[in-house]
Amino acid sequence: EVQLLESGGGLVQPGGSLRLSCAGSGFTFSSYTMNWVRQAPGKGLEWVSGISADGGSTYYADSVKGRFTISRDNSRNTVDLQMNSLRAEDTAIYYCAKDKGCSTTSCYPVLDYWGQGALVTVSS
Amino acid sequence: EIVVTQSPATLSVSPGERATLSCRASQSVSSNLAWYQQKPGQAPRLLMYGASTRATGIPARFSGSGSGTEFTLTISRLQSEDFAVYFCQQYYNWPRSFGQGTKLEIK
Repeated sequence: EVQLLESGGGLVQPGGSLRLSCAGSGFTFSSYTMNWVRQAPGKGLEWVSGISADGGSTYYADSVKGRFTISRDNSRNTVDLQMNSLRAEDTAIYYCAKDKGCSTTSCYPVLDYWGQGALVTVSS
Repeated sequence: EIVVTQSPATLSVSPGERATLSCRASQSVSSNLAWYQQKPGQAPRLLMYGASTRATGIPARFSGSGSGTEFTLTISRLQSEDFAVYFCQQYYNWPRSFGQGTKLEIK
């Protein structure tokens, strides 16, 4: 059974830093692109960042570029999101999500498994 | 960045009826569009990808169509468990943008 478990959420002051971690199990972690998606209270989904299976390519939403850094450790089956210079508008539930990956004929970079989320609150 | 727009924001439909949700991309995404369902307090669930391919375990009453910039998610014979918020997402390029969501509520 595929499982994604986020940790590291909490309350942080504006301008502060926080590191989220996501542990994956039940699948070959090193074979899949991993993502972070956030959802502000009562709002829609916002894709935040993604990292390729080997960690060689990273992608960011404009809203977090230069402040957030995604990384992964395939030996520990974890993907992290380092969040710096946090703002009130970064307050959200942060979900870790796995790409569906590829079949024999096609690749589908859609999010087929999600964690339950970690709440990040940026407030003084 | 590709902007994805969903309509309507809220859709009121009676159980047993059909619901039609729309999603529009600001430029062509070919068939690189997915739909997700989210219920209160839960993580989103993948419904559809490739615009029209149901994900594992998704009932046949869910169907998707469209390509390019215009897409539709249709739910025939609505059941109580279908009332939720639905998001579409393009994955043609990075960043993988979501629409703002359509809330499907009981009429």
